[in-house]
Amino acid sequence: DSGVTQTPKHLITATGQRVTLRCSPRSGDLSVYWYQQSLDQGLQFLIHYYNGEERAKGNILERFSAQQFPDLHSELNLSSLELGDSALYFCASSSRPGQGWGYTFGSGTRLTVV
Amino acid sequence: GDSVTQMEGPVTLSEEAFLTINCTYTATGYPSLFWYVQYPGEGLQLLLKATKADDKGSNKGFEATYRKETTSFHLEKGSVQVSDSAVYFCALSERGGGADGLTFGKGTHLIIQP
Repeated sequence: DSGVTQTPKHLITATGQRVTLRCSPRSGDLSVYWYQQSLDQGLQFLIHYYNGEERAKGNILERFSAQQFPDLHSELNLSSLELGDSALYFCASSSRPGQGWGYTFGSGTRLTVV
Repeated sequence: GDSVTQMEGPVTLSEEAFLTINCTYTATGYPSLFWYVQYPGEGLQLLLKATKADDKGSNKGFEATYRKETTSFHLEKGSVQVSDSAVYFCALSERGGGADGLTFGKGTHLIIQP
């Protein structure tokens, strides 16, 4: 157990729907990062939150949004889902920004859009 | 933009063989370089890192040297074990430790046969 908890582990939904993925960072970590892993694109950085505030944005679609709550858990919201959004979504946490070598990854949420 | 290129595999070796997984990168500045490992059903784990030219990262018998002149960070291990079977990702961070997210290669699937 890495200490980063992602729920649910698996999610199957239909095109056009909206889903929410949840991440609880490791105890004491203030930074949360979201990544998408797909067969064709590989691992892509989506967004980084630090202590409730957005710090950096990567290749995140406008249909996707995220937030980090006061208790430091984070949610990734995916809307108007398309078949191409099917992927593994990973969350990682670190104690503070700039600690890439201190990333701890969760085991991911596998999203299947049908 | 930044990019990482690595052999995708699968790479199949016999136990105790010598391992090399090639990784080259493109970056505008002086990135930090990482190797991550992903075991089946788990998130990524940091294997080793190097933050400046000629640095050698090492861990669990794996080594990689940051070669600025060839923009490479090849992963090596002298004698692989069945337990090393996993997917290996080379990654870079343009600014220090990855506050702006890591750029990953597509991953190399390594299979070690007894």
